[in-house]
Amino acid sequence: DAMVIQNPRYQVTQFGKPVTLSCSQTLNHNVMYWYQQKSSQAPKLLFHYYDKDFNNEADTPDNFQSRRPNTSFCFLDIRSPGLGDAAMYLCATSRGSWPKDTQYFGPGTRLTVL
Amino acid sequence: KNEVEQSPQNLTAQEGEFITINCSYSVGISALHWLQQHPGGGIVSLFMLSSGKKKHGRLIATINIQEKHSSLHITASHPRDSAVYICAAPSSNTDKLIFGTGTRLQVFP
Repeated sequence: DAMVIQNPRYQVTQFGKPVTLSCSQTLNHNVMYWYQQKSSQAPKLLFHYYDKDFNNEADTPDNFQSRRPNTSFCFLDIRSPGLGDAAMYLCATSRGSWPKDTQYFGPGTRLTVL
Repeated sequence: KNEVEQSPQNLTAQEGEFITINCSYSVGISALHWLQQHPGGGIVSLFMLSSGKKKHGRLIATINIQEKHSSLHITASHPRDSAVYICAAPSSNTDKLIFGTGTRLQVFP
């Protein structure tokens, strides 16, 4: 059974048109992460939530926002997508903070910006 | 210089061959992750290890904390093992996970 679910798997949006990516988990984990991965590159952490505490990476553009309305769900909002935002977006969860706990990854959402 | 480095970057093998992928890190860590990413994107956590060796099926991971080196071995490789294998370690001063550059493995029948 899928433990970290991402929807949609593929998302196409237009330049400047807001888009929301969704992540849900059945693990009841405290921590949820959002990563951006561009072609042939390592995943790059955008932000993470420890419970309701939001932790933004210093180099994450303001264009990227996140919401975690409850333990199970976390959303990534891209307010005005640019061509450079086309990437795979990966959600992950862990029971506690790394490095004590394994991160469980979702299947990813591939975003295309036209 | 990346804090986590992998070698080789690309690896091709014939089905049945023994595969070794290496990971060296410069940060002081208490545990290291090996991850597998198939074409299409999803990442699967293979191992998290802090010492010695772990085995799961045909996969074996070893780590030497003193030498700051880890290896992932695949025995009797199969075309379905074709994927990118990534090692990841925590940053020395934050909780952030630092990813290696990945090793792209292709196993041919």
